[in-house]
Amino acid sequence: GAVVSQHPSRVICKSGTSVKIECRSLDFQATTMFWYRQFPKQSLMLMATSNEGSKATYEQGVEKDKFLINHASLTLSTLTVTSAHPEDSSFYICSADPTGGNTIYFGEGSWLTVV
Amino acid sequence: EDQVTQSPEALRLQEGESSSLNCSYTVSGLRGLFWYRQDPGKGPEFLFTLYSAGEEKEKERLKATLTKKESFLHITAPKPEDSATYLCAVQVPGGYQKVTFGTGTKLQVIP
Repeated sequence: GAVVSQHPSRVICKSGTSVKIECRSLDFQATTMFWYRQFPKQSLMLMATSNEGSKATYEQGVEKDKFLINHASLTLSTLTVTSAHPEDSSFYICSADPTGGNTIYFGEGSWLTVV
Repeated sequence: EDQVTQSPEALRLQEGESSSLNCSYTVSGLRGLFWYRQDPGKGPEFLFTLYSAGEEKEKERLKATLTKKESFLHITAPKPEDSATYLCAVQVPGGYQKVTFGTGTKLQVIP
C-alpha cells in the first residue's frame, strides 16, 4: 500500500524552543495532508488540514501561531511546534490519501517530549 | 454533529475465541467508513473502507460489515498478534478527506 513517512519518530526539546516534524508521501502525491494529535489512551484529534501551496485550515481551538504548518510540495508537509511547552508533549500523526478519499494512510507518528 | 461511538472500550479474548467490535455512527451523510489497527506508539494501519450498507470486506481473520447505523469488525479465531487498538472513522460528503474517529476498542488476545 501507499506509504506515508514521518520524521523524527521521537524528539525531545526544551521549553521555549521550536521543533519541526516532517510528513512525506513516499510513492504518491498529496495535495492535502492532515495533522492529528493523540494523547495517551485517547483517539486521534484532527488539528489541521495542510493544503499544498496555500494556507492550512485549523480546527477550532488549535492555535495557528503555535502549530505552524507548511505544505511546500506535493509530497511534503511540515508541522512546527513553536515555543514548545510541556503540555505540547504528545504523539503527532499525519495522514494523506492517494486516491481522493477512498483510502487514507497514516504516518508512523512522532513522539514529542518537551522538558 | 457527526458522532462515532465504539464499543466495547476494551475486549479480552482467549486465542481462538471469535468476537465482534462495534462502531455506531450518527452523521449527516456517509462517504466512507474506515477501520484501522493501531499498535502502541505507532500510527494507525489501514484495514478497510466501506461505502454503503450491506457491504462486507475481509482480510485474513478480520471481516468488516456495514449497516446504515453501524459497522462491525468481526474477528474469527483471533491470535495474540491481533492484540491492538482498533479504530473506526467516518468521512462525510463535503468533508474532503476529513475523518472523525471513534475512541477505539483495545483488544487483547490471550494465548
